[in-house]
Amino acid sequence: DAKTTQPPSMDCAEGRAANLPCNHSTISGNEYVYWYRQIHSQGPQYIIHGLKNNETNEMASLIITEDRKSSTLILPHATLRDTAVYYCIVRPYNQGGKLIFGQGTELSVKP
Amino acid sequence: GAVVSQHPSRVICKSGTSVKIECRSLDFQATTMFWYRQFPKQSLMLMATSNEGSKATYEQGVEKDKFLINHASLTLSTLTVTSAHPEDSSFYICSAPPGTGSYNEQFFGPGTRLTVL
Repeated sequence: DAKTTQPPSMDCAEGRAANLPCNHSTISGNEYVYWYRQIHSQGPQYIIHGLKNNETNEMASLIITEDRKSSTLILPHATLRDTAVYYCIVRPYNQGGKLIFGQGTELSVKP
Repeated sequence: GAVVSQHPSRVICKSGTSVKIECRSLDFQATTMFWYRQFPKQSLMLMATSNEGSKATYEQGVEKDKFLINHASLTLSTLTVTSAHPEDSSFYICSAPPGTGSYNEQFFGPGTRLTVL
């Protein structure tokens, strides 16, 4: 079973920041937080991952709370092409590679 | 980034026939690949872990005799849906982590849409 909870859907205006929350209150000390997204009828795409420090890359920023029980993915300037289902996944970093997907958040970016 | 391809992208078959889906890592070697299934409006469900040179590991509830997996080389894994039925119609997606150590990210194929008539 997925170990994360996400809102089923969110809307965001084009050009604004999209903040996608994820609750992972049972996360273990050796588990990382990963974010993937899936654009309709395509395979998922990796976005970012982190352990306890905030992370940023060319796609997004990941903010993890100090107690690590929740995190937020931030798309700083959402575009229409960011419309997708966003999945937050927790798993040990170096323990195989399988990902257990929850229901994710369907983000709709509107003009 | 690394590329994972799948073939075919779409297949329609008659009930009772078998269908083979290929997953290839194009520019890296993958000792492990994963197979997922996704029904409409649902999330991805992990079916099995494909291991190069050894038997696949199936998730609970997945019939290994129905979903045959072969990982014959470091760049190719195949999923064969045997005696397909309409309830097997789904979107099948494979993924592969590059290398054997770091699991920073996985690369997913574009998916294969199977329709069984």
